[in-house]
Amino acid sequence: QSALTQPPSASGSPGQSVTISCTGTSSDVGSYNYVSWYLQHPGKAPKLMIYEVTKRPSGVPDRFSGSKSGNTASLTVSGLQAEDEADYYCTSYAGGNNVIFGGGTKLTVL
Amino acid sequence: QLQLQESGPGLVKPSETLSLTCTVSGGSISTPNSYWGWIRQPPGKGLEWIGIIYYRGSTYYNPSLTSRVTVSVDTSKNQFSLKLSSVTAADTAVYYCARLDSSGFSINWYFDLWGRGTLVTVSS
Repeated sequence: QSALTQPPSASGSPGQSVTISCTGTSSDVGSYNYVSWYLQHPGKAPKLMIYEVTKRPSGVPDRFSGSKSGNTASLTVSGLQAEDEADYYCTSYAGGNNVIFGGGTKLTVL
Repeated sequence: QLQLQESGPGLVKPSETLSLTCTVSGGSISTPNSYWGWIRQPPGKGLEWIGIIYYRGSTYYNPSLTSRVTVSVDTSKNQFSLKLSSVTAADTAVYYCARLDSSGFSINWYFDLWGRGTLVTVSS
C-alpha cells in the first residue's frame, strides 16, 4: 500500500486557523472511520491528537478538530499557538489488519 | 499511569537481527482492551507501522515487512519484543513501541500511548 498523501508543509499566523489534508483511497480513508492524527515535536514521540476521524483524547484542546470527506481526511487547528508548530501525521486503517501513515506535514507558526 | 519504555542495542551489523524490548509499567500487558505495537521512523523521515500483538499472542504485521518481522510477548515480564532479521542501512530508525485500544474482539486502529523511542543504527 502507498502512504497517505499529506502536503509537506503548512503555515499560519498566531490566532489563525490551518487545515492539513490527508488523501488516501477508497480502500483506506474512504472505507473506514479509523483515521487518526498525531503531533510530533522535534526529538519527541508522536502524540495522539484525533482518533476515529473526529474524536479528541482527553487533554487535547478543542482547537484541534478532524473531519473526512470521501477519500480525504482533514485536521484543522484553530487559534494557532506557537506550541502547535510541529510535524503532523495522519494514519488510516487499510483493511486486512493493516494501517498506513501519511508522509507528514510540517506546520510552521509564523 | 501506564508507561512504555523501549530497550535494546543501539547498533546492529548489516545482515544481523535487530532485537528490541518494550517494558510496560503502571499497568498489565495482559489486559483485554489493549494491543501492543511497534512503529519506526528513519532519521528525517516519516512513520512506518511494523506490527502489533495481543497479550494472548495473536499478531499482525505490515505486509512490506512481514517476511522479516517477529513480534512476541512475555506476560510474566510485562514486556513485548520486536525482532527484525537481515537488517540493512535502510532499517536505521528510531523505533517506538505503542499501545492500541481494543474493544473486545475489535482493534481500534490508533496508537494512544507511545514510548520515547530508541535509535537503532545499522552499520558495520
